[in-house]
Amino acid sequence: NAGVTQTPKFQVLKTGQSMTLQCAQDMNHNSMYWYRQDPGMGLRLIYYSASEGTTDKGEVPNGYNVSRLNKREFSLRLESAAPSQTSVYFCASRPGQEETQYFGPGTRLLVL
Amino acid sequence: GENVEQHPSTLSVQEGDSAVIKCTYSDSASNYFPWYKQELGKRPQLIIDIRSNVGEKKDQRIAVTLNKTAKHFSLHITETQPEDSAVYFCAASLGGTASKLTFGTGTRLQVTL
Repeated sequence: NAGVTQTPKFQVLKTGQSMTLQCAQDMNHNSMYWYRQDPGMGLRLIYYSASEGTTDKGEVPNGYNVSRLNKREFSLRLESAAPSQTSVYFCASRPGQEETQYFGPGTRLLVL
Repeated sequence: GENVEQHPSTLSVQEGDSAVIKCTYSDSASNYFPWYKQELGKRPQLIIDIRSNVGEKKDQRIAVTLNKTAKHFSLHITETQPEDSAVYFCAASLGGTASKLTFGTGTRLQVTL
């Protein structure tokens, strides 16, 4: 069991470039989440998918899109990266019958 | 939406002492309150959680207390050890199908020898 995996680990982008952050879980969890973590601000929810086939906005969705490709995979897309999107991005998943969220190792993104 | 405030932002204790971190939440309907520990460069990991039908929960040196009336909950770490040094985050959730977490801003705990 790999748990929650994320790729890439680290990425540098130029302003205006696009990229997709990948997340996958092998625990058969129903719900998946994308957070960003900035110094002094904790983790903030960008988008989530309560179940396969559904996605909803979180607290800070502007500038991002998501796709729940199947039950295992939940990707986050930046269409036109901005320096304000420099952050560490964490994906998490949660089984349907409990509240605990399990986090991936994170993707560190730097937008120049 | 839910708002979670966490204090203090930094906490330094001597090894063997106790550490207490406090959080308040705004939505009285929140019913699930986890605590996560994050070591430098690592992912957040759940250390303990409590639900709104319970006032206190303990797991070895870690305990969490919940006061629903005052809308606050606290993390207590006794007999602190150097490996307890990390950033701790509280969170609150309304539960349900989505079960979204709203996090506090974190407490950096340093345990000194």
